[in-house]
Order: sequence, then C-alpha cells, then structure tokens
Amino acid sequence: QVQLVQSGSELKKPGASVKVSCKASGYGFNSFGMNWVRQAPGQGLEWMGWINTNTGNPTYAQGFTGRFVFSLDTSVSTAYVQISSLKAEDTAIYYCARARWLGNLNYFDYWGQGTLVTVSS
Amino acid sequence: QLVLTQSPSASASLGASVKLTCALSSGHSSDAIAWHQQQPERGPRYLMKVNSDGSHSKGDGIPDRFSGSSSGAERYLTISSLQSEDEADYYCQAWDTGIGVFGGGTKLTVL
Repeated sequence: QVQLVQSGSELKKPGASVKVSCKASGYGFNSFGMNWVRQAPGQGLEWMGWINTNTGNPTYAQGFTGRFVFSLDTSVSTAYVQISSLKAEDTAIYYCARARWLGNLNYFDYWGQGTLVTVSS
Repeated sequence: QLVLTQSPSASASLGASVKLTCALSSGHSSDAIAWHQQQPERGPRYLMKVNSDGSHSKGDGIPDRFSGSSSGAERYLTISSLQSEDEADYYCQAWDTGIGVFGGGTKLTVL
C-alpha cells in the first residue's frame, strides 16, 4: 500500500536550518510528483509547492521562495524540504502529499503524517 | 486567480446528513476539486475528487457515506449517517495554472 513516512519533530533556534524528509513506498516514486504543504498552529493548509520526481524540477508558491528548497534522492524514494534561516513564523507542521494528475488538476491523494518544526530560542 | 470559499463552520446531529460547500471564484466553474478531511490532531486524508459534472471518485477506504456533487461553480461534500469520527476540518483543494489552492476549511461539529 502507498505510504509516505516523514521524519520526526524538530526543535531549532532562529537562524538555523532544518531538512524534513518524506520517504515513499508502495508505488513507483518517479511516477508521481510530490507536494509540500504547511500548517501553522491553529491555521489552515497552505500549499508550498511541488517537485517533479522525474526531472527534479521544483515549483515554489509565492512566499516560499529563497529560504525553501525541495530536493530528491530517488535511490531511496525520498523527497526533502530544507528551510534555512529559520524564523519563529516557520513554526508549523509540514506535510508531504503525493501529486496525482487528472487533466489540469493536481490533487493530493496520499499524505504523510506530518513533521512538526518548532523554531524557538 | 482562483479562490476557493468555504464556510468556517457547520454542525449537524449524530446520524443526520450534512452538505459542505466549496465555491469557486469567477471563471473557474468548470474546474475539478478535491476534498480532504483532517480529524483533530491528525494529518489530512484525501476523500475524493469532484468534477464539474458532479461525478466523483473516492480515495481508498472512504466509506459510502461520503459523496460529492456539483452545481455551477459550487462543489459539495455530503456526509450521511453522521458519526462522531466525522467531526473534523474539511478542506477543498484545486489547481490553477501550476499553483495549488486550498479553501479556508470548514470545521464540522457533530452534535
């Protein structure tokens, strides 16, 4: 069965970096892209962008350029998001979600369990 | 630019039915959307995709109590025979020229 398993919670100081992983299993990793979604405390879901697992080409949403980098290690079917120069407002749960395409719709048909990143001094 | 509008809250009694709405902004009345459920303290789960003609396809293991429909620029999620575990946040999601979009979510309370 399809599974997306994310790395564990992180506690970081402002200015540090963090790398969250999302390991996929149960399907051909290169056959589906990977989305990243952020959920700040008590807030809704916010799309951060996605990465094409065939080409490695990332697309970033507005507000997630510069400090956010999506990457892949296809040898272990894993996607990553690295966040640098962390700020308190980066405190959130970060989710990966598989990208399933139907026509013009990219919809998220499987989700990781989420990774809590806390930024605090 | 696509905007998805959802009511912030809804409530219905145990065993009853409820219909949640996702309204697509002007110019997007033919777009398909997806519905996702987020139970308290849990990650989101994909429920279904709903097309503009009302056809829908559900994710793995989604009960028959969940169904989707459409009318014009609105997409609906109907939950029948409400159970306590249906108390959750429900988000609609769509795609607009390479950009993912979420609605603000509807918090469903089961009375």
